[in-house]
Amino acid sequence: AQKVTQAQTEISVVEKEDVTLDCVYETRDTTYYLFWYKQPPSGELVFLIRRNSFDEQNEISGRYSWNFQKSTSSFNFTITASQVVDSAVYFCALTTSNTGNQFYFGTGTSLTVIP
Amino acid sequence: DVKVTQSSRYLVKRTGEKVFLECVQDMDHENMFWYRQDPGLGLRLIYFSYDVKMKEKGDIPEGYSVSREKKERFSLILESASTNQTSMYLCASSLPGTVNTEAFFGQGTRLTVV
Repeated sequence: AQKVTQAQTEISVVEKEDVTLDCVYETRDTTYYLFWYKQPPSGELVFLIRRNSFDEQNEISGRYSWNFQKSTSSFNFTITASQVVDSAVYFCALTTSNTGNQFYFGTGTSLTVIP
Repeated sequence: DVKVTQSSRYLVKRTGEKVFLECVQDMDHENMFWYRQDPGLGLRLIYFSYDVKMKEKGDIPEGYSVSREKKERFSLILESASTNQTSMYLCASSLPGTVNTEAFFGQGTRLTVV
């Protein structure tokens, strides 16, 4: 079975602090993809990043970075120098080669950046 | 710009009513999904469709049905709305057959059943 766990339900940080959102996944499939989505107060989920199971390189995009470690089945997301606009709910998701295009989502982490 | 559009942002319906939630995508995607989002539970899959007139049950299909008569449109139907179906409903679409594609989401419909 596939499962995504986001143990942090809510996080609050002061603006300009760094924050890491944790994501742990479970799957027995060897081919899979991991995703992060951002859901601002407007409600629409916005795609942030996709990473496949064969590529463990970390990725950096501006203030955002992602750390993928197969050894710990984790795909963590770090925001550097957080801003108020980063306040949102963040979801980690998983699809696998054996489950077609079903997306398995974590329960989300609500991030509040305090000015 | 790619787009998934849900027909309503907010809906209020009475218990027992038949409710239709509509979703349209303009990306020619084969896959379409309906999710329900509740606090602390994340997104739970209700139904998905991988082709016109095809549908598969997700994790929580009870009390819901779907219709996909055209590729671009995927409707979620609450046969007899109940208060426990008060929730945020999210529609999504994606390309078929490959695992490396992200899903694109609509803006969500917040349904209240009174």
